[in-house]
Amino acid sequence: QKEVEQDPGPLSVPEGAIVSLNCTYSNSAFQYFMWYRQYSRKGPELLMYTYSSGNKEDGRFTAQVDKSSKYISLFIRDSQPSDSATYLCATWDAGNMLTFGGGTRLMVKP
Amino acid sequence: EAGVTQFPSHSVIEKGQTVTLRCDPISGHDNLYWYRRVMGKEIKFLLHFVKESKQDESGMPNNRFLAERTGGTYSTLKVQPAELEDSGVYFCASSPDHRPRAEAFFGQGTRLTVV
Repeated sequence: QKEVEQDPGPLSVPEGAIVSLNCTYSNSAFQYFMWYRQYSRKGPELLMYTYSSGNKEDGRFTAQVDKSSKYISLFIRDSQPSDSATYLCATWDAGNMLTFGGGTRLMVKP
Repeated sequence: EAGVTQFPSHSVIEKGQTVTLRCDPISGHDNLYWYRRVMGKEIKFLLHFVKESKQDESGMPNNRFLAERTGGTYSTLKVQPAELEDSGVYFCASSPDHRPRAEAFFGQGTRLTVV
């Protein structure tokens, strides 16, 4: 079993839609939960992260963590074509490494 | 502020050859990480430097991989001799010591193709 599971997609939505991206994880020791956005041929770019359970909002993006169910979500409101990218969830257990999911490819069509 | 810089951006080498990847972290970042993504897999941790010291190299696949960080500044990752399964994208990331290490900034990656 992978430590962080993520549906690879692709997920195709019309412009303006609300997007929901999700991950599950298995290790209860994970403390930080991150979302990265990666455009083609670029490196991962940190969007936002949360510590422990709860919600965090930044503009059109909301990250949500439910530690009881080991479930991580990213919601994108009013999605734009420029949001088209691969979204990677990642976790960190206060050690030395990030543990990544495989990424979900999102396509927002005009 | 300049971001994390990696070069080359792409390298094609023959099996058995040696390749050296370089990473320049963001100035002042003590933490430097190497990750890689092989085809069809998720991004995996290779190792972590704090300044010039290796903090954790548990993700290094075997002794054909050697990482160094001279003077706590830039880092190199050498693969010698390269094998076909080493093909993938190698990412470097850095983070400052005063922030949670979860806030790592990634470079654009080096795409390594071993033929």
